[in-house]
Amino acid sequence: DSGVTQTPKHLITATGQRVTLRCSPRSGDLSVYWYQQSLDQGLQFLIQYYNGEERAKGNILERFSAQQFPDLHSELNLSSLELGDSALYFCASSYRDRAYEQYFGPGTRLTVT
Amino acid sequence: GENVEQHPSTLSVQEGDSAVIKCTYSDSASNYFPWYKQELGKRPQLIIDIRSNVGEKKDQRIAVTLNKTAKHFSLHITETQPEDSAVYFCAASINTGNQFYFGTGTSLTVIP
Repeated sequence: DSGVTQTPKHLITATGQRVTLRCSPRSGDLSVYWYQQSLDQGLQFLIQYYNGEERAKGNILERFSAQQFPDLHSELNLSSLELGDSALYFCASSYRDRAYEQYFGPGTRLTVT
Repeated sequence: GENVEQHPSTLSVQEGDSAVIKCTYSDSASNYFPWYKQELGKRPQLIIDIRSNVGEKKDQRIAVTLNKTAKHFSLHITETQPEDSAVYFCAASINTGNQFYFGTGTSLTVIP
């Protein structure tokens, strides 16, 4: 186990709703990365935080937002959910501000009905 | 931004044969290329990576080659085993930095 934890494991919700996904990085890691993995688009980088600050932004929709808290855990908020948001959402963490050191968490599977 | 294409999307090989997965990238500034393996229902795990100052890197049965001029890189798995069955993703980034651009994945099946 890499030590990155994500909750919940599974989430089923309806269109138009809002959900929050939580990630706890490995002990000592300062960076958190969020990815979306859907069947048709593979793994897509969403956003990265380093020690509480946004460091890099990828293909994150305006309906999505994230933050990293002082205890370094991170939350990804998805609002006005659409069917197409159904995907596996991974969090990864690294000690430094370098994605090549990242370790992935087990993921949260989101199903929007 | 960077665009990474990966082929094939599915690949079946007999146990003991070799498997080759190819990726191309568009941004000549990309200089770090990792490969991830994702077993069914599990998280992606880094299996090998290569930087642009190197043309080839090997780790036991796995090797990666890079052609900077043509902007493509490949993963080679020799003497494949059933446990190699997984989805493999290539990625590209600049300076091992923050944003990885992933390919769409190759589902490899090794037939015993």
